[in-house]
Amino acid sequence: GESVGLHLPTLSVQEGDNSIINCAYSNSASDYFIWYKQESGKGPQFIIDIRSNMDKRQGQRVTVLLNKTVKHLSLQIAATQPGDSAVYFCAEKGASWGKLQFGAGTQVVVTP
Amino acid sequence: DGGITQSPKYLFRKEGQNVTLSCEQNLNHDAMYWYRQDPGQGLRLIYYSQIVNDFQKGDIAEGYSVSREKKESFPLTVTSAQKNPTAFYLCASSIDPGADEQYFGPGTRLTVT
Repeated sequence: GESVGLHLPTLSVQEGDNSIINCAYSNSASDYFIWYKQESGKGPQFIIDIRSNMDKRQGQRVTVLLNKTVKHLSLQIAATQPGDSAVYFCAEKGASWGKLQFGAGTQVVVTP
Repeated sequence: DGGITQSPKYLFRKEGQNVTLSCEQNLNHDAMYWYRQDPGQGLRLIYYSQIVNDFQKGDIAEGYSVSREKKESFPLTVTSAQKNPTAFYLCASSIDPGADEQYFGPGTRLTVT
């Protein structure tokens, strides 16, 4: 079956550097993508989303890039801070099935 | 404060006992969801409700039951038929069934021994 997945289970980043978290998807019918941040023992928090008619969307210190040609989604965090340490999930949704499907997540560890 | 609350944060039960997890939202959202989270896996949908007095099975509904008698409440019962109940359970809501973004509660960690 088709699924959402992440390339790296753990990403170690030095404080102040930029982080890039990747996500591969295989369902070409997906038209909505979302990134969540989950701190240890807490529920996921919305970070940013993007629709399939866009290639890029920017938020505060975060940018999501969508490459539909290779079915790839990435989250970029600028000037990574200790508070950015968390698990980051991507999820996809298609109009035909209407439910979010989640990837396993990437653990981001920010080192001083 | 508007949001989703789940209680309790930690729950311990003996095998063979049913247990009910609470989920309340004051966002006036129509749709509510229950997910299960296990280490190294993505969230898996247990049940969802699009409107009061309606609910449907998700991908892993076996051993679980829900009710939606009030718009703001969507309790999940983990029954003794659930073979592997120990997990982190997350409740979410969205403004309507067609909305893309879901808002999550803080979760309940259930341990069954």
